[in-house]
Amino acid sequence: DGGITQSPKYLFRKEGQNVTLSCEQNLNHDAMYWYRQDPGQGLRLIYYSQIVNDFQKGDIAEGYSVSREKKESFPLTVTSAQKNPTAFYLCASSRSSVPGQGFYEQYFGPGTRLTVT
Amino acid sequence: AQSVTQLDSHVSVSEGTPVLLRCNYSSSYSPSLFWYVQHPNKGLQLLLKYTSAATLVKGINGFEAEFKKSETSFHLTKPSAHMSDAAEYFCVVSRETGANNLFFGTGTRLTVIP
Repeated sequence: DGGITQSPKYLFRKEGQNVTLSCEQNLNHDAMYWYRQDPGQGLRLIYYSQIVNDFQKGDIAEGYSVSREKKESFPLTVTSAQKNPTAFYLCASSRSSVPGQGFYEQYFGPGTRLTVT
Repeated sequence: AQSVTQLDSHVSVSEGTPVLLRCNYSSSYSPSLFWYVQHPNKGLQLLLKYTSAATLVKGINGFEAEFKKSETSFHLTKPSAHMSDAAEYFCVVSRETGANNLFFGTGTRLTVIP
Protein backbone atom coordinates (compact mmCIF):
# COMPACT_ATOMS: atom_id res chain seq x y z
CA ASP A 1 0.00 0.00 0.00
CA GLY A 2 1.25 3.47 -0.86
CA GLY A 3 1.15 6.03 1.87
CA ILE A 4 2.87 8.13 4.49
CA THR A 5 4.10 6.80 7.79
CA GLN A 6 4.96 8.84 10.84
CA SER A 7 6.59 7.47 13.92
CA PRO A 8 6.13 7.32 16.77
CA LYS A 9 2.42 8.03 17.28
CA TYR A 10 3.04 9.49 20.76
CA LEU A 11 6.28 11.04 21.97
CA PHE A 12 7.19 12.40 25.38
CA ARG A 13 10.24 14.53 26.10
CA LYS A 14 11.66 16.66 28.83
CA GLU A 15 12.01 20.37 28.30
CA GLY A 16 15.42 21.28 26.86
CA GLN A 17 15.83 18.13 24.79
CA ASN A 18 15.85 18.00 21.02
CA VAL A 19 13.56 15.42 19.45
CA THR A 20 13.27 14.12 15.87
CA LEU A 21 9.99 13.11 14.28
CA SER A 22 10.09 10.64 11.42
CA CYS A 23 8.17 10.92 8.13
CA GLU A 24 8.46 8.43 5.28
CA GLN A 25 6.46 8.22 2.04
CA ASN A 26 6.36 5.65 -0.76
CA LEU A 27 4.12 7.65 -3.10
CA ASN A 28 7.06 8.81 -5.22
CA HIS A 29 6.15 12.42 -4.45
CA ASP A 30 8.71 15.16 -4.91
CA ALA A 31 7.20 17.57 -2.38
CA MET A 32 6.90 17.06 1.36
CA TYR A 33 5.58 19.24 4.18
CA TRP A 34 5.47 19.53 7.95
CA TYR A 35 2.54 21.08 9.79
CA ARG A 36 1.78 21.80 13.38
CA GLN A 37 -1.79 21.54 14.67
CA ASP A 38 -3.02 23.19 17.85
CA PRO A 39 -6.64 23.18 19.06
CA GLY A 40 -8.77 25.75 17.27
CA GLN A 41 -5.93 26.95 15.02
CA GLY A 42 -6.04 24.67 12.03
CA LEU A 43 -2.76 23.56 10.46
CA ARG A 44 0.26 25.83 10.27
CA LEU A 45 3.14 25.18 7.88
CA ILE A 46 6.55 24.65 9.49
CA TYR A 47 8.80 23.62 6.58
CA TYR A 48 8.39 22.29 3.09
CA SER A 49 10.62 20.67 0.51
CA GLN A 50 9.98 20.58 -3.22
CA ILE A 51 12.91 18.37 -4.08
CA VAL A 52 15.70 16.37 -2.50
CA ASN A 53 18.41 18.45 -0.82
CA ASP A 54 16.24 21.55 -0.81
CA PHE A 55 13.77 22.89 1.74
CA GLN A 56 12.12 26.19 2.64
CA LYS A 57 10.80 27.76 5.82
CA GLY A 58 7.07 27.95 6.28
CA ASP A 59 5.10 30.25 8.54
CA ILE A 60 6.39 29.03 11.90
CA ALA A 61 9.90 27.63 11.30
CA GLU A 62 11.56 29.09 14.39
CA GLY A 63 12.77 26.36 16.74
CA TYR A 64 12.51 23.62 14.10
CA SER A 65 14.93 22.09 11.60
CA VAL A 66 14.57 19.60 8.75
CA SER A 67 16.64 17.65 6.24
CA ARG A 68 15.78 16.08 2.90
CA GLU A 69 18.58 13.69 1.97
CA LYS A 70 16.27 11.13 0.35
CA LYS A 71 13.11 11.55 -1.68
CA GLU A 72 11.20 9.25 0.67
CA SER A 73 12.18 10.86 3.96
CA PHE A 74 11.67 14.28 5.56
CA PRO A 75 12.50 14.20 9.30
CA LEU A 76 11.63 17.13 11.55
CA THR A 77 13.71 18.07 14.59
CA VAL A 78 12.03 20.03 17.34
CA THR A 79 14.84 21.86 19.10
CA SER A 80 15.04 23.21 22.61
CA ALA A 81 14.62 26.68 21.10
CA GLN A 82 10.98 25.97 20.28
CA LYS A 83 9.08 27.69 23.09
CA ASN A 84 5.83 25.71 22.94
CA PRO A 85 6.64 22.35 21.34
CA THR A 86 3.67 20.39 22.68
CA ALA A 87 1.39 19.85 19.68
CA PHE A 88 0.15 17.41 17.06
CA TYR A 89 2.58 17.23 14.11
CA LEU A 90 1.46 16.19 10.65
CA CYS A 91 3.59 15.31 7.65
CA ALA A 92 2.26 15.46 4.10
CA SER A 93 3.46 14.90 0.55
CA SER A 94 2.30 15.79 -2.93
CA ARG A 95 3.31 15.96 -6.55
CA SER A 96 5.12 19.16 -7.43
CA SER A 97 2.83 21.68 -9.07
CA VAL A 98 3.50 23.12 -12.50
CA PRO A 99 2.69 26.83 -12.95
CA GLY A 100 -0.65 27.26 -14.68
CA GLN A 101 -1.81 23.70 -14.11
CA GLY A 102 -3.43 24.04 -10.71
CA PHE A 103 -2.55 22.58 -7.39
CA TYR A 104 -2.27 19.00 -6.32
CA GLU A 105 -3.82 17.61 -3.18
CA GLN A 106 -1.57 16.80 -0.27
CA TYR A 107 -1.62 13.35 1.31
CA PHE A 108 -1.23 13.21 5.07
CA GLY A 109 0.33 10.83 7.52
CA PRO A 110 -1.40 9.79 10.76
CA GLY A 111 0.49 12.34 12.85
CA THR A 112 2.73 12.35 15.92
CA ARG A 113 1.53 13.83 19.20
CA LEU A 114 4.48 15.39 21.02
CA THR A 115 4.25 16.24 24.69
CA VAL A 116 7.07 18.16 26.35
CA THR A 117 7.10 18.58 30.13
CA ALA B 1 -2.94 37.86 0.49
CA GLN B 2 -5.24 34.90 0.64
CA SER B 3 -7.29 33.77 3.61
CA VAL B 4 -9.92 31.22 4.50
CA THR B 5 -12.80 31.77 6.92
CA GLN B 6 -14.84 28.88 8.20
CA LEU B 7 -17.93 30.59 9.48
CA ASP B 8 -18.86 28.03 12.13
CA SER B 9 -16.45 26.47 14.58
CA HIS B 10 -19.05 23.85 15.54
CA VAL B 11 -22.09 22.47 13.70
CA SER B 12 -24.52 19.98 15.18
CA VAL B 13 -27.06 18.03 13.09
CA SER B 14 -29.35 15.07 13.61
CA GLU B 15 -28.63 11.84 11.78
CA GLY B 16 -30.39 11.80 8.41
CA THR B 17 -30.66 15.60 8.10
CA PRO B 18 -28.65 17.78 5.70
CA VAL B 19 -25.18 19.06 6.47
CA LEU B 20 -23.94 22.54 5.55
CA LEU B 21 -20.41 23.66 6.45
CA ARG B 22 -19.64 27.18 5.33
CA CYS B 23 -16.38 28.50 3.93
CA ASN B 24 -15.43 31.87 2.46
CA TYR B 25 -12.08 32.58 0.90
CA SER B 26 -10.10 35.58 -0.19
CA SER B 27 -7.64 35.44 -3.06
CA SER B 28 -6.41 37.84 -5.72
CA TYR B 29 -6.39 35.09 -8.35
CA SER B 30 -8.42 31.99 -9.16
CA PRO B 31 -7.45 29.56 -6.45
CA SER B 32 -7.67 25.83 -6.06
CA LEU B 33 -9.91 24.90 -3.14
CA PHE B 34 -10.12 21.75 -1.07
CA TRP B 35 -12.09 20.21 1.77
CA TYR B 36 -10.34 17.79 4.10
CA VAL B 37 -11.78 15.73 6.95
CA GLN B 38 -9.98 14.69 10.14
CA HIS B 39 -11.22 12.11 12.61
CA PRO B 40 -9.90 12.34 16.18
CA ASN B 41 -6.13 11.85 16.48
CA LYS B 42 -5.85 10.95 12.81
CA GLY B 43 -4.32 12.51 9.72
CA LEU B 44 -6.34 14.46 7.17
CA GLN B 45 -8.23 12.86 4.28
CA LEU B 46 -9.19 14.68 1.10
CA LEU B 47 -12.95 14.95 0.58
CA LEU B 48 -12.94 16.92 -2.65
CA LYS B 49 -11.11 19.60 -4.62
CA TYR B 50 -11.92 22.40 -7.03
CA THR B 51 -9.32 23.32 -9.65
CA SER B 52 -11.22 25.60 -12.11
CA ALA B 53 -13.22 22.92 -13.88
CA ALA B 54 -16.88 22.32 -12.95
CA THR B 55 -18.09 24.63 -10.18
CA LEU B 56 -20.06 21.84 -8.49
CA VAL B 57 -17.59 19.33 -7.15
CA LYS B 58 -18.56 15.88 -5.93
CA GLY B 59 -16.40 14.14 -3.36
CA ILE B 60 -16.28 10.99 -1.35
CA ASN B 61 -18.95 9.76 1.09
CA GLY B 62 -21.73 11.77 -0.55
CA PHE B 63 -20.23 15.21 0.07
CA GLU B 64 -20.21 17.96 -2.51
CA ALA B 65 -19.22 21.62 -2.66
CA GLU B 66 -20.07 24.49 -4.97
CA PHE B 67 -17.56 27.14 -5.99
CA LYS B 68 -19.25 30.55 -6.18
CA LYS B 69 -16.83 33.16 -7.38
CA SER B 70 -19.24 36.07 -6.95
CA GLU B 71 -19.72 35.16 -3.29
CA THR B 72 -16.14 33.92 -2.77
CA SER B 73 -17.63 30.85 -1.13
CA PHE B 74 -17.00 27.11 -1.21
CA HIS B 75 -19.58 25.59 1.11
CA LEU B 76 -19.61 21.84 1.82
CA THR B 77 -22.91 19.97 1.81
CA LYS B 78 -24.31 16.49 2.24
CA PRO B 79 -27.99 15.59 1.87
CA SER B 80 -28.17 13.19 4.80
CA ALA B 81 -25.76 13.01 7.74
CA HIS B 82 -24.45 9.71 9.01
CA MET B 83 -22.97 9.04 12.43
CA SER B 84 -19.60 8.32 10.81
CA ASP B 85 -19.51 11.90 9.45
CA ALA B 86 -18.75 13.25 12.92
CA ALA B 87 -15.27 14.78 12.56
CA GLU B 88 -13.36 18.02 12.02
CA TYR B 89 -13.59 19.55 8.54
CA PHE B 90 -11.06 21.94 7.03
CA CYS B 91 -11.55 24.29 4.12
CA VAL B 92 -8.25 24.87 2.30
CA VAL B 93 -7.11 27.34 -0.36
CA SER B 94 -4.00 27.25 -2.52
CA ARG B 95 -1.39 29.83 -1.69
CA GLU B 96 -0.60 32.60 -4.11
CA THR B 97 3.12 32.07 -3.69
CA GLY B 98 5.27 29.14 -2.76
CA ALA B 99 5.18 25.89 -4.62
CA ASN B 100 2.20 23.64 -3.99
CA ASN B 101 1.50 25.17 -0.60
CA LEU B 102 -1.93 25.34 0.96
CA PHE B 103 -3.55 27.61 3.52
CA PHE B 104 -5.88 25.95 6.03
CA GLY B 105 -8.98 27.30 7.71
CA THR B 106 -9.38 26.84 11.44
CA GLY B 107 -11.81 23.96 11.08
CA THR B 108 -15.46 23.14 11.77
CA ARG B 109 -16.32 20.36 14.17
CA LEU B 110 -19.36 18.40 13.03
CA THR B 111 -21.41 16.57 15.63
CA VAL B 112 -24.09 14.11 14.50
CA ILE B 113 -26.87 13.42 16.98
CA PRO B 114 -28.48 9.97 16.80
